[in-house]
Amino acid sequence: DIVMTQTPLSSPVTLGQPASISCRSSQSLVHSDGNTYLSWLQQRPGQPPRLLIYKISNRFSGVPDRFSGSGAGTDFTLKISRVEAEDVGVYYCTQATQSPYTFGQGTKLEIK
Amino acid sequence: EVQLVESGGGLVQPGRSLRLSCTASGFTFGDYAMSWVRQAPGKGLEWVGFIRSKAYGGTTEYAASVKGRFTISRDDSKSIAYLQMNSLKTEDTAVYYCTSSAATRSFDIWGQGTMVTVSS
Repeated sequence: DIVMTQTPLSSPVTLGQPASISCRSSQSLVHSDGNTYLSWLQQRPGQPPRLLIYKISNRFSGVPDRFSGSGAGTDFTLKISRVEAEDVGVYYCTQATQSPYTFGQGTKLEIK
Repeated sequence: EVQLVESGGGLVQPGRSLRLSCTASGFTFGDYAMSWVRQAPGKGLEWVGFIRSKAYGGTTEYAASVKGRFTISRDDSKSIAYLQMNSLKTEDTAVYYCTSSAATRSFDIWGQGTMVTVSS
């Protein structure tokens, strides 16, 4: 199974400041079709998860442009350019390149 | 409005069965793969399994922790996905979410989840 490792597990951030979460996979996420099926999810307190980014860097419909994704191969990053209060929650990276699909442990974003 | 609504959760004894349903609306259900993801209380997300769209054979894949006990099926005429859970264990206690996936293989749309508690 592909293991997804996120860092940090907790990230206190000041409102208006940037935030960054890293995700590393135990093997390359490049699929035989050439795509890299790495996504980022946000889970606000008491809510179901919500898709933010798919295939490394594509923002899902309705996602603010302060969220961006980057990376390749085994190393990926989610960045928030200016953190807002509504961004508080847990962020997960997930891979769908190989079954079983797997998630990172989650990174808790909180306001300082 | 694009929506997924799970139902069928509840309290069940170890060893018993339960079937969850996921009813879709607002999109062409048959074009999407459907996954089930669970979250134990206070824990992270765990993929349970998925069923491909008929265009991709309608086949299924499962996590090792549920393989042989859980079965995912779909009824495209009703826009419903099912999760049949047999031989339930206490460690299956979780909120169960259904989620749709397009060709991007991302978990696009999520339901609100349904709680399953396995306890004697």
